[in-house]
Amino acid sequence: RKEVEQDPGPFNVPEGATVAFNCTYSNSASQSFFWYRQDCRKEPKLLMSVYSSGNEDGRFTAQLNRASQYISLLIRDSKLSDSATYLCVVNMGYKLVFGAGTILRVKS
Amino acid sequence: SAVISQKPSRDICQRGTSLTIQCQVDSQVTMMFWYRQQPGQSLTLIATANQGSEATYESGFVIDKFPISRPNLTFSTLTVSNMSPEDSSIYLCSSRTANNEQFFGPGTRLTVL
Repeated sequence: RKEVEQDPGPFNVPEGATVAFNCTYSNSASQSFFWYRQDCRKEPKLLMSVYSSGNEDGRFTAQLNRASQYISLLIRDSKLSDSATYLCVVNMGYKLVFGAGTILRVKS
Repeated sequence: SAVISQKPSRDICQRGTSLTIQCQVDSQVTMMFWYRQQPGQSLTLIATANQGSEATYESGFVIDKFPISRPNLTFSTLTVSNMSPEDSSIYLCSSRTANNEQFFGPGTRLTVL
């Protein structure tokens, strides 16, 4: 079983749609969780950290369910500029472990 | 956040040669890392660059192939030695801030012929 698993997509959605990505992780001792965004031929950029209480940043909402070892990212009112690969990332001790990413394509 | 620069941004190299990639961070950071991202795949950690001591390598990566230096808190180098086409990849430097957020350099796109 992979340490961090994501649905690779692609998710093809129209502008204005709401889309949700899920991620599961294998190590129950993991302490920190993140969503990164990676544009084509660019480096990953931190989108948001994920807290046990859930957190929201504008159109983006991240949730963590420790019991199910599950992380989610919800994007509301999708924009064309949201098209990217979204990486679920889990801190396992000293290192970050990356999921393979979920591709989002927002179309007009 | 930390601003990270890398050079070269890209290179095309011949089989059997070596390439050294430089990474500079704009502020002192405790942890620096080197990652590889092969085409169509996610990031894999190569090693943690330790200041003033040998790097800590992940399973599948060895010092002879990927020697790493970190002479101070803001600078590190990764060498890809005796390259083969399988080493063609993007190599990314990363640093972690005091609040546990991790940032990446723009990457070095390496093609080995």
